[in-house]
Amino acid sequence: SQTIHQWPATLVQPVGSPLSLECTVEGTSNPNLYWYRQAAGRGLQLLFYSVGIGQISSEVPQNLSASRPQDRQFILSSKKLLLSDSGFYLCAWGDTGSGANVLTFGAGSRLTVL
Amino acid sequence: DAKTTQPPSMDCAEGRAANLPCNHSTISGNEYVYWYRQIHSQGPQYIIHGLKNNETNEMASLIITEDRKSSTLILPHATLRDTAVYYCIVRVAPQGNTPLVFGKGTRLSVIA
Repeated sequence: SQTIHQWPATLVQPVGSPLSLECTVEGTSNPNLYWYRQAAGRGLQLLFYSVGIGQISSEVPQNLSASRPQDRQFILSSKKLLLSDSGFYLCAWGDTGSGANVLTFGAGSRLTVL
Repeated sequence: DAKTTQPPSMDCAEGRAANLPCNHSTISGNEYVYWYRQIHSQGPQYIIHGLKNNETNEMASLIITEDRKSSTLILPHATLRDTAVYYCIVRVAPQGNTPLVFGKGTRLSVIA
């Protein structure tokens, strides 16, 4: 069966520090991968999505970046965090091989920037 | 993708059916209706999707009007664990690379 892992689950970082959130998927190949963010009390905002290794589409210009070094690995990074980067970050994968292309989400990474 | 309109919040008594409406009056012929829900502090969970026929699975039923301009998600016997934000999303055909864009959804509170 397919599983999706995100880590770390929780982190507290000072303003100006770097960030790296990692997401891996098991049990499938060539998935579409997504990063979403949810600020406190707000809706889900699509940040990046990837349809293959090295292919990244950015939905919102900001100080975050994403990379997909391997087929089932998706990384969200920042060189210098801002206070506004605080939020709940969710990775998701979509199975392009099935008819439904349902998105399955990870458990999320909660980031607090101080 | 077509826009959707949902009520911001709803209450439902435990054990009763929860009927969550969604308007998508600008839906086009190749767009599907998807429903997801997000329980507090968790990632969204897929519930059901459909094109024009009514659909049912172990979680819920989806009723789509004949003109496809609106739909209703039905949780037949709501429990306290069904308290969540429910998102109705319209997107082009399931296969492909179109990402899901979430709106504000409906906050369903199931009351004992």
